[in-house]
Amino acid sequence: EIVMTQSPATLSVSPGERATLSCRASQSVNSNLAWYQQKPGQAPRLLIYGASTRATGIPARFSGSGSGTEFTLTISSLQSEDFAVYYCQQYNYWPWTFGQGTKVEIK
Amino acid sequence: QVQLVQSGAEVKKPGASVKVSCKASGYTFTSYAISWVRQAPGQGLEWMGWISTYNGNTNYAQKLQGRVTMTTDTSTSTAYMELRSLRSDDTAVYYCAKAGAAAGWFDPWGQGTLVTVSS
Repeated sequence: EIVMTQSPATLSVSPGERATLSCRASQSVNSNLAWYQQKPGQAPRLLIYGASTRATGIPARFSGSGSGTEFTLTISSLQSEDFAVYYCQQYNYWPWTFGQGTKVEIK
Repeated sequence: QVQLVQSGAEVKKPGASVKVSCKASGYTFTSYAISWVRQAPGQGLEWMGWISTYNGNTNYAQKLQGRVTMTTDTSTSTAYMELRSLRSDDTAVYYCAKAGAAAGWFDPWGQGTLVTVSS
């Protein structure tokens, strides 16, 4: 099973600042990686797939990069609605697996 | 718009079974697979399995093999997830999600169904 490790566990950021979230795979997953945002009491929402392609309706301030084992989600200028938990997920190998999440909180 | 609407919350006793439904609308149901993901209280996301809505093929997480069954009813565009021999650690919100085109990302997700296992 591919283990996905996200860092940091919690990221404290001021509104308007940049946030950089990391996700590492225990072995190469090529570019078969997605990012999701989850707010309290809500279902996750797809942000990025294919490591770098924004899903429909996702603002341009969200960007994804990386391939192989190292991936990054960048939020260029945090808005109030961006404070949430973010998960990465690989879909290169069964079973598909998620990282443990990074909580982005207001500094 | 594409939408997945799940059945309501359930309370079950240990050892019982639960069956959660997920009704799809806004797209051709048989063109995209459905995955199920669960989230225990305060915890992260756990992928449970995948079902092809085209031919019914399934792929389950190994830890749930033998206890989980995923099915579909194409006449009503509805997917089902049944979990048997429930334990307290099966208490979670269960989500269905539409798979991305020919790939394993999930978009959109259903609203979630809380299953509580308690004696």
